[in-house]
Amino acid sequence: EAGVVQSPRYKIIEKKQPVAFWCNPISGHNTLYWYLQNLGQGPELLIRYENEEAVDDSQLPKDRFSAERLKGVDSTLKIQPAELGDSAVYLCASSFKGNEQYFGPGTRLTVT
Amino acid sequence: AQKITQTQPGMFVQEKEAVTLDCTYDTSDPSYGLFWYKQPSSGEMIFLIYQGSYDQQNATEGRYSLNFQKARKSANLVISASQLGDSAMYFCAMRDPNQKLVFGTGTRLLVSP
Repeated sequence: EAGVVQSPRYKIIEKKQPVAFWCNPISGHNTLYWYLQNLGQGPELLIRYENEEAVDDSQLPKDRFSAERLKGVDSTLKIQPAELGDSAVYLCASSFKGNEQYFGPGTRLTVT
Repeated sequence: AQKITQTQPGMFVQEKEAVTLDCTYDTSDPSYGLFWYKQPSSGEMIFLIYQGSYDQQNATEGRYSLNFQKARKSANLVISASQLGDSAMYFCAMRDPNQKLVFGTGTRLLVSP
């Protein structure tokens, strides 16, 4: 069974540029999560989807971050414009009906 | 609010020995789940073991066991017979009734030959 797929794995951009991350969850998993992991820290939830509905986006900085999960499968997380402080690893995870979450390899973003 | 505390920034263990990674938690919810994840240098978070707050017995998965002490609010991970491939960051996490996972700051484990 294929795991959670994320792309790109690495991204380097200049500040004020836009960037997008893509996630394909495990087949059949209705819940999708985006996490932010700063260096030396544990992941922090940005947004959680149940199918196509964002049910918890309280930690998402909505002035520059946006996310979508069209058709309740793939998801895209966007940052526009990026700031230096956005440099981090962005992790996507999925689960089936709230059971254990399975994570993808993450996208390491560097903003210069 | 839920909180996870991992007080060991780093741990060292020799190959084939057992090691305990500490985790304490704080919550006012009666229903919660506790998880341990392994994060090797490749970056992927690998699910290891789960303990529900109402589970009577400690969870075990192969060489991993969770020492759950509810009254003390601790959920320590025990790795038996350590292997070189166990070297990684280990995160303890708690899931609240809203399905949100809250992570600790992690413990870096180094296994030496």
